[in-house]
Amino acid sequence: GAVVSQHPSRVICKSGTSVKIECRSLDFQATTMFWYRQFPKQSLMLMATSNEGSKATYEQGVEKDKFLINHASLTLSTLTVTSAHPEDSSFYICSASGAVGTGGRANYGYTFGSGTRLTVV
Amino acid sequence: AQKITQTQPGMFVQEKEAVTLDCTYDTSDPSYGLFWYKQPSSGEMIFLIYQGSYDQQNATEGRYSLNFQKARKSANLVISASQLGDSAMYFCAMREGTSYGKLTFGQGTILTVHP
Repeated sequence: GAVVSQHPSRVICKSGTSVKIECRSLDFQATTMFWYRQFPKQSLMLMATSNEGSKATYEQGVEKDKFLINHASLTLSTLTVTSAHPEDSSFYICSASGAVGTGGRANYGYTFGSGTRLTVV
Repeated sequence: AQKITQTQPGMFVQEKEAVTLDCTYDTSDPSYGLFWYKQPSSGEMIFLIYQGSYDQQNATEGRYSLNFQKARKSANLVISASQLGDSAMYFCAMREGTSYGKLTFGQGTILTVHP
């Protein structure tokens, strides 16, 4: 139980275009979604936290107009990188936490997607 | 100040031997949780083990054990009988408080297992 499906796994886009990354909780209700960014051989840095039906809370230094997060349902959260530039190339990964009784507390509360490697050319 | 510190950028171990990956943490919250994750080259985050701040016993999960020294604020991961498939990046992470808030990650340690 407690699976988060993240798509796409890899994407290459042209500079100036937008890219949408989806994370779906397949068997539990994801009340909270965390979005992380990771550069090669570095740690995961939290970009934003979103609760279903609410606006996302962004970490300091993260441009909310550039990284649009939508968490409109208990099973789907999306991250849209708008007007992508080469410096946005990175590994993006989501982590979902769910309500008690819905299976969302597996792994002590955090289920990660498999990640998306974004390359902007 | 770093909340989670992993001081070993890289570690090497011989197959079948044990290895300890270090992690220290800093928090003033009496309630917290400590996690270890494995990240192979594919990028997925694999949950290994969890230790709660009020847990009396050190956590164990198969070949993984967590050496929890609360007074020293350390939560080292011990991998016994290393296997070639253990080669990966390992992250220590902390959740502060009792609710399921954000995880803060350490810098990571790249473990290489030699045959």
